[in-house]
Amino acid sequence: KNEVEQSPQNLTAQEGEFITINCSYSVGISALHWLQQHPGGGIVSLFMLSSGKKKHGRLIATINIQEKHSSLHITASHPRDSAVYICAVSQNYGGSQGNLIFGKGTKLSVKP
Amino acid sequence: EAGVAQSPRYKIIEKRQSVAFWCNPISGHATLYWYQQILGQGPKLLIQFQNNGVVDDSQLPKDRFSAERLKGVDSTLKIQPAKLEDSAVYLCASSFPYEKLFFGSGTQLSVL
Repeated sequence: KNEVEQSPQNLTAQEGEFITINCSYSVGISALHWLQQHPGGGIVSLFMLSSGKKKHGRLIATINIQEKHSSLHITASHPRDSAVYICAVSQNYGGSQGNLIFGKGTKLSVKP
Repeated sequence: EAGVAQSPRYKIIEKRQSVAFWCNPISGHATLYWYQQILGQGPKLLIQFQNNGVVDDSQLPKDRFSAERLKGVDSTLKIQPAKLEDSAVYLCASSFPYEKLFFGSGTQLSVL
């Protein structure tokens, strides 16, 4: 079993829909990252969370430390949101901040 | 604000040759990371610097890979000699300590 699990693996939505991507992890963490990667492109860090909720524009990320679960929400989705969304965690022991455990990613496609 | 700069963008070499990658982090970011991302996989941390000191190089294949950040600003990653399995995207990232990572566009290396 992977230490970081994401669901769904693939997601197709219509423009304007509300989207949720889930991430569950099984290790103790110091922080959880949500990353965005476009095909052939670099990685953009969307959020770094250790508790609660963060919002940036149409993106909202939440984390429940007790349940070891995080969600990334996209409101009013747009075709330019099409990308792979990756959940990654840094462990709270035995690892440096950058030694992240990555989920396999969720490939999102938003149709116009 | 200027982002993380990396060069070259692409590099093709033959096995057993040497190659070097350069990274200039965001101004003021004390922490710098080098990752290797093999196609279809999540990034793997090769080395993390805090200013010009190494925080974590546990996954750096030290027989062929080396990295330095002499003045605590820009950094170079070298592979000597390269193997076929080194074909990957090499990502540089930077951050303030324990804050969100900012990634460069990466260098795509093909070893023939």
